[in-house]
Amino acid sequence: QKEVEQDPGPLSVPEGAIVSLNCTYSNSAFQYFMWYRQYSRKGPELLMYTYSSGNKEDGRFTAQVDKSSKYISLFIRDSQPSDSATYLCAMSENDMRFGAGTRLTVKP
Amino acid sequence: GAVVSQHPSRVICKSGTSVKIECRSLDFQATTMFWYRQFPKQSLMLMATSNEGSKATYEQGVEKDKFLINHASLTLSTLTVTSAHPEDSSFYICSAPKRDSPVYEQYFGPGTRLTVT
Repeated sequence: QKEVEQDPGPLSVPEGAIVSLNCTYSNSAFQYFMWYRQYSRKGPELLMYTYSSGNKEDGRFTAQVDKSSKYISLFIRDSQPSDSATYLCAMSENDMRFGAGTRLTVKP
Repeated sequence: GAVVSQHPSRVICKSGTSVKIECRSLDFQATTMFWYRQFPKQSLMLMATSNEGSKATYEQGVEKDKFLINHASLTLSTLTVTSAHPEDSSFYICSAPKRDSPVYEQYFGPGTRLTVT
């Protein structure tokens, strides 16, 4: 079993839709949970991070962590074509472990 | 800002040759840098942790004699792929947290696509 599981997609939605991206994990020691966005042929960029359980909102993006279920989510409201990218979840205790990434396409 | 650059962005080399990839933190100091490898449609896989002034720490299964890492200054780490083979073809990405920042605040370089023919 992988430490971090993420559905690679691809996921295609119309512009304006709400997008839900998810990851599950097995290591209960993870304390920090991150979401990165990676455009094609570029390095990942940090979108949001959350410590322990709870929600965090930043503009159109909301990150949720449920440590009891070992489940994290990223919601994108009013999705835009510019949101089209691969989204990677990542978790950290000391080292970081990444999900495989979900490829998202937002169609105009 | 926090900018990490990599050079070259793309390299094609012949089997058996060595390739050096540079990772630089342009506007901050990084005592630690991380090297990742990413195969198509797969996750980032940590290869090694590069520590300024000391030996790198390699992940299990990564050959330290094949992937030579040098972190000679607080702004530069290099990865040398020695005796490259086609199976080494991949996207190599470095990242660095700012000095004294938590590890999850990593800033990634744009990556280097290596193709070994």
